[in-house]
Amino acid sequence: TQLLEQSPQFLSIQEGENLTVYCNSSSVFSSLQWYRQEPGEGPVLLVTVVTGGEVKKLKRLTFQFGDARKDSSLHITAAQPGDTGLYLCAGEEAGANSKLTFGKGITLSVRP
Amino acid sequence: NAGVMQNPRHLVRRRGQEARLRCSPMKGHSHVYWYRQLPEEGLKFMVYLQKENIIDESGMPKERFSAEFPKEGPSILRIQQVVRGDSAAYFCASSLLAGNEQFFGPGTRLTVL
Repeated sequence: TQLLEQSPQFLSIQEGENLTVYCNSSSVFSSLQWYRQEPGEGPVLLVTVVTGGEVKKLKRLTFQFGDARKDSSLHITAAQPGDTGLYLCAGEEAGANSKLTFGKGITLSVRP
Repeated sequence: NAGVMQNPRHLVRRRGQEARLRCSPMKGHSHVYWYRQLPEEGLKFMVYLQKENIIDESGMPKERFSAEFPKEGPSILRIQQVVRGDSAAYFCASSLLAGNEQFFGPGTRLTVL
């Protein structure tokens, strides 16, 4: 059972465009994290959201945690080729003993 | 301040051999997690260890796989009698405290011939 669904699975856009991608679940998470992974490397933590409705900004990236703590979105403003990569969301369920459940990821390609 | 270190980065084994994967957590971190990433799949939790203790091994296959995190030295993920289906990228993560943010290493890519 895939607990975290990420969409779209693949996204190819032109430099300068804005985009929003999603991470959805039927489960409630005590926290949710977004990672970015480059080919041949490990995931790099971008942000952790904890409170329902929370919005965090990291330069051109805006992360939002749903009010019910079941879903999250990532919005990128004026995408750049350097944003290309695999974006993973991961949730920690309450009482899950710190283990993270990952979505399959969103492959983003930003064309110059 | 070195991050999580894993070695080897690439490991090739023949069917039936043993694979030993090592993970050194970030300095000061005593919580270690192992995940496996299969082609076209997301990362799957395998095991969570805290110094000398296995806290949660609910994601570990019942046979051939074991993990340890001794008082001194790195955490080891051991796969005995490897099969082709074990080919994957294995990632280790560490955290300062339970429930804190997890920081990942670069992974070990295991290929079983």
